[in-house]
Amino acid sequence: AQTVTQSQPEMSVQEAETVTLSCTYDTSESDYYLFWYKQPPSRQMILVIRQEAYKQQNATENRFSVNFQKAAKSFSLKISDSQLGDAAMYFCAYRSFLIQGAQKLVFGQGTRLTINP
Amino acid sequence: GAGVSQSPRYKVAKRGQDVALRCDPISGHVSLFWYQQALGQGPEFLTYFQNEAQLDKSGLPSDRFFAERPEGSVSTLKIQRTQQEDSAVYLCASSLARVPLVNYGYTFGSGTRLTVV
Repeated sequence: AQTVTQSQPEMSVQEAETVTLSCTYDTSESDYYLFWYKQPPSRQMILVIRQEAYKQQNATENRFSVNFQKAAKSFSLKISDSQLGDAAMYFCAYRSFLIQGAQKLVFGQGTRLTINP
Repeated sequence: GAGVSQSPRYKVAKRGQDVALRCDPISGHVSLFWYQQALGQGPEFLTYFQNEAQLDKSGLPSDRFFAERPEGSVSTLKIQRTQQEDSAVYLCASSLARVPLVNYGYTFGSGTRLTVV
């Protein structure tokens, strides 16, 4: 079974600075998807960025980028120019590429990100 | 509708009481998922529907948990004889895609916070 680990329960950063959230995962599969989700107090999970394991190029979405290290099974999220609206819980998630079990997401424990003005 | 709607938003149940949690997915979305999120933890998969068929219920923690989606749209998660360890946020997510290998997105609802006293 796949597992996802986020070793940083809490992180804080000054507004406008850069912060990196860590995520490692364990899998025996060679193809899969990885995601970062943001969960504000409203509780709704919002997709931040996703990465296909078969793509070598790291995904980027505006101020959000990932550092995907497949051999190390590491998938960190970098937030540049942090804004007050970025404050939330961030979850790393894994999804299998295989048909069986392909649908569900496996989440990490989350990292609470605080932005200091 | 425009998003995934879940009701009630909050539910307090006495231990031993039965509860029913409702999820209204986006119209036309084929896939529907239920997740359980304990306080301070990441969501954990409960069950998955493709239209009215429940294709995966491997995450349901006990036979007190039951989910249905009889007409392939609205889904209900029922918990019988609630216990304190059932206290959690229950998230519903839906997706348009049917084919697992297609890279698609999930839309999450804001969840139901269940507190068992």
